[in-house]
Amino acid sequence: QVQLQESGPGLVKPSETLSLTCTVSGGSISTYYWSWIRQPPGKGVEWIGYIYYNGSTNYNPSLESRVTISIDTSKKQFSLRLSSVTAADTAMYYCARGYNWNAAFDSWGQGTLVTVSS
Amino acid sequence: DIQMTQSPSSLSASVGDRVTMTCRASQTISSYLNWYQQKPGKAPKLLIFDASSLQRGVPPRFSGSGSGTDFTLTISNLQPEDFATYYCQQSYRSPTFGQGTKLEIK
Repeated sequence: QVQLQESGPGLVKPSETLSLTCTVSGGSISTYYWSWIRQPPGKGVEWIGYIYYNGSTNYNPSLESRVTISIDTSKKQFSLRLSSVTAADTAMYYCARGYNWNAAFDSWGQGTLVTVSS
Repeated sequence: DIQMTQSPSSLSASVGDRVTMTCRASQTISSYLNWYQQKPGKAPKLLIFDASSLQRGVPPRFSGSGSGTDFTLTISNLQPEDFATYYCQQSYRSPTFGQGTKLEIK
């Protein structure tokens, strides 16, 4: 059973860059699509973007100018960088897996709360 | 973006009831519609994929239907553990989620 675990700072200052890593265990990182998804406190769910194991990416158009997702298959990790953050980026950040680019997210990490505040 | 609209936003029901909630897409999405259950402090859990396929391990009291723009999630014989928030999500284009339906105990 695949497990995903997010890690990274829980507090980021405004205008700085948010960086998170998701570690995959119990399964292969190859042949799947790996996404970042976020949920502001008490609000709905927003897809940020995905990366395929070969490095190809697709981002939410509303965040594309600030997002970079990368992957290190040797470490079974993929990462999120979100630049120029504001309070509106405060959210629970989840990593998730899809078996195809248009598939459902069948496995999720437990999430990590990132607060943007000075 | 494809907008997903869920109704109702909240729903009260009792254990043993049968409930239905709906999700409407702003344009046709074929059957690329997924349903998730989220409990407080937890990640969403996939229940139904491709509109009507039950995810492995999910009880058969959950069922999904629809295609095109209109979809439904039905829960039969509600159990105490089913009270949660339910989200639909389209995977036809860049994924987008509905705003959720909160299922509460009456």
